[in-house]
Amino acid sequence: QVQLQESGPGLVKPSQTLSLTCTVSGGSISSGSYYWTWIRQPAGKGLEWIGRIYPSGSTNYNPSLKSRVTISADMPKNQFSLKLSSVTAADTAVYYCARGAGIQPWFLPDVWGKGTTVTVSS
Amino acid sequence: QSALTQPRSVSGSPGQSVTISCTGTSSDVGGYNYVSWYQQHPGKAPKLMIYDVSKRPSGVPDRFSASKSGNTASLTISGLQAEDEADYYCCSYAGSYTLVFGGGTKLTVL
Repeated sequence: QVQLQESGPGLVKPSQTLSLTCTVSGGSISSGSYYWTWIRQPAGKGLEWIGRIYPSGSTNYNPSLKSRVTISADMPKNQFSLKLSSVTAADTAVYYCARGAGIQPWFLPDVWGKGTTVTVSS
Repeated sequence: QSALTQPRSVSGSPGQSVTISCTGTSSDVGGYNYVSWYQQHPGKAPKLMIYDVSKRPSGVPDRFSASKSGNTASLTISGLQAEDEADYYCCSYAGSYTLVFGGGTKLTVL
C-alpha cells in the first residue's frame, strides 16, 4: 500500500523559497501510472491544488501560482519536491503531497500524505 | 480559475440524509465527468469518497452517493452517522491539465 510523507522546514522567512519533499513508499513514482501532486490548505480554509509531475518530467501548475512554483522528481530516491519562491504570509498553510490516479487528463488525488505545516514569518 | 462554490455548512440528524452541492462552470464541473469528493476530519488529511462523479472507492459505504447535473455536482449522505461529521470538498478537472477544489462544506450531525 503506497504511503506518502512530506518533509521540510516548518518556518520560512518572507521573500525566501519554500522547499518541501515528499517521500513515497510502497510504490515507485517512476511507474508511469500516476501523477505526483502538491495541494495546500491555509488554516481554517479550503484546499488549493498547486500542481503535479508525471514520471516523464511533465508538469502542470495552478495558473495563479505558476510563476513561483517548481515541482521536480528524484526517481532514485523515490521522492518529488515542491519549491515555491518569493513567499509571503499568504503562503502559510498545511502542504499535502498526494498521488494522482486515473486517466488523462484527470488523475485525481487518491492517496494523501498526512501534511506538513509551513509558516511564513520573519 | 476560481474555486468551486459549496455551501459553508449543512446539518442533519442521525439517520437523515443531507446533500452538499458543488457549483462550477462549463469550464470545469459542467465540462467534464471528472468530479471527486473528499472527507476531512479535523487535523487529518482528506480522504477520497467519490471519483468520476459517482463512483465509490473500495471501502466507502454506499450511504455516500453523488451525481452531477449541468454545472453542479452533488454529494448525498444517507443514514447520517456521527462519524460523518467532517468537512467535505469537491474537486473537478478544470481544463488545461489543472484541477480546482471547492471551498469546503462543514457537515454537522445534530
